Amino acid sequence: AQSVAQPEDQVNVAEGNPLTVKCTYSVSGNPYLFWYVQYPNRGLQFLLKYITGDNLVKGSYGFEAEFNKSQTSFHLKKPSALVSDSALYFCAVRDIETGGFKTIFGAGTRLFVKA
Amino acid sequence: NAGVTQTPKFRVLKTGQSMTLLCAQDMNHEYMYWYRQDPGMGLRLIHYSVGEGTTAKGEVPDGYNVSRLKKQNFLLGLESAAPSQTSVYFCASSGTPVAKNIQYFGAGTRLSVL
Repeated sequence: AQSVAQPEDQVNVAEGNPLTVKCTYSVSGNPYLFWYVQYPNRGLQFLLKYITGDNLVKGSYGFEAEFNKSQTSFHLKKPSALVSDSALYFCAVRDIETGGFKTIFGAGTRLFVKA
Repeated sequence: NAGVTQTPKFRVLKTGQSMTLLCAQDMNHEYMYWYRQDPGMGLRLIHYSVGEGTTAKGEVPDGYNVSRLKKQNFLLGLESAAPSQTSVYFCASSGTPVAKNIQYFGAGTRLSVL
């Protein structure tokens, strides 16, 4: 069965410092990976995705993610964190085994950026 | 461009009452989803639809029913609400090809069952 794991419930970082939010996955075949962000009292918003091609994917708001097939990871990164980046971040993978209709979400990682 | 609209935004029910949550999307998407979000558990899929007139069970379908009579609308029903259904409910839609496409989410419905 396909799955995705976010090993950290919360990540704390100072404004201006680089940030990393970790994600590992388990899939059969090629993974279709996504990152979403959720601000308070809002729905999830798409940040970036990896389907194929370059291992470094660039997305919205200056975020990027690195796909590492050997480590089965898809970590979210940003070179310089902003207080406004504080939010809940979800890693997700498409469930290809059942036709790709469904998305499997991680439990989420809360990012707290301190001024 | 409204995207995905959910109504209502908030609701309080008593145990045993029924209600329907409405999701509407204006992007002509084939695929629609209902999720519930509970602390520490991420998003769990309740039901989904791959097109007008079709529905399928997700990860946690018990106690819920859905209908997709029109392509743009996806309704989630609770026939007899229970406290365990207290949660935040999100609707989402996706275009084709579905496996490579992103999901667009509504703002959510916060439901409390007393």
